[in-house]
Amino acid sequence: DTAVSQTPKYLVTQMGNDKSIKCEQNLGHDTMYWYKQDSKKFLKIMFSYNNKELIINETVPNRFSPKSPDKAHLNLHINSLELGDSAVYFCASSQDKTGGAFLSNTEAFFGQGTRLTVV
Amino acid sequence: SQELEQSPQSLIVQEGKNLTINCTSSKTLYGLYWYKQKYGEGLIFLMMLQKGGEEKSHEKITAKLDEKKQQSSLHITASQPSHAGIYLCGASSGPGTYKYIFGTGTRLKVLA
Repeated sequence: DTAVSQTPKYLVTQMGNDKSIKCEQNLGHDTMYWYKQDSKKFLKIMFSYNNKELIINETVPNRFSPKSPDKAHLNLHINSLELGDSAVYFCASSQDKTGGAFLSNTEAFFGQGTRLTVV
Repeated sequence: SQELEQSPQSLIVQEGKNLTINCTSSKTLYGLYWYKQKYGEGLIFLMMLQKGGEEKSHEKITAKLDEKKQQSSLHITASQPSHAGIYLCGASSGPGTYKYIFGTGTRLKVLA
């Protein structure tokens, strides 16, 4: 069974479109995250949710809106896609109870990533 | 703001050779984590180090955190093609912080 699953794995879309990436974890974790990996392979946190509550929102354009219908799901919706949004987006979850001290004592489990290409 | 620098950025070694990847922080680390990423796959947790001077090993991979907790090294002994991928170090600057960052990554290729 996949611990953290993201869909789709690949997404190619035109500028200006709206798209969503879904993430689900079956580990019973309280905290989920979205990370963006840029072309230089640098991972930057975008959002974290703890028990459906937004904890971290790191300087991300308003076009990006996370939604957590329950603590096992954290979806990422992107409006008006731009060329610069092209990247690999990783979802992760951890047992951390606060949604803040990421990986302070526990490891995080990552999804396989969604490669978004905006043309 | 805290940054993590990894070196080298890329590495090509012959199978069977040893190699070392370094991760340096501009500030004292609360926790240091090593991950491996294969193309198109998620990150795989390798090891976590928290105490100054700590060293951990798993199979042929050994990670160390220096006494000052600002530098970590990942050493692979007798490398194999299965070791190929991107190695990332990650860290948080303290408990209760919302800041968690990753290093720039080291791309490793092992030639058979």
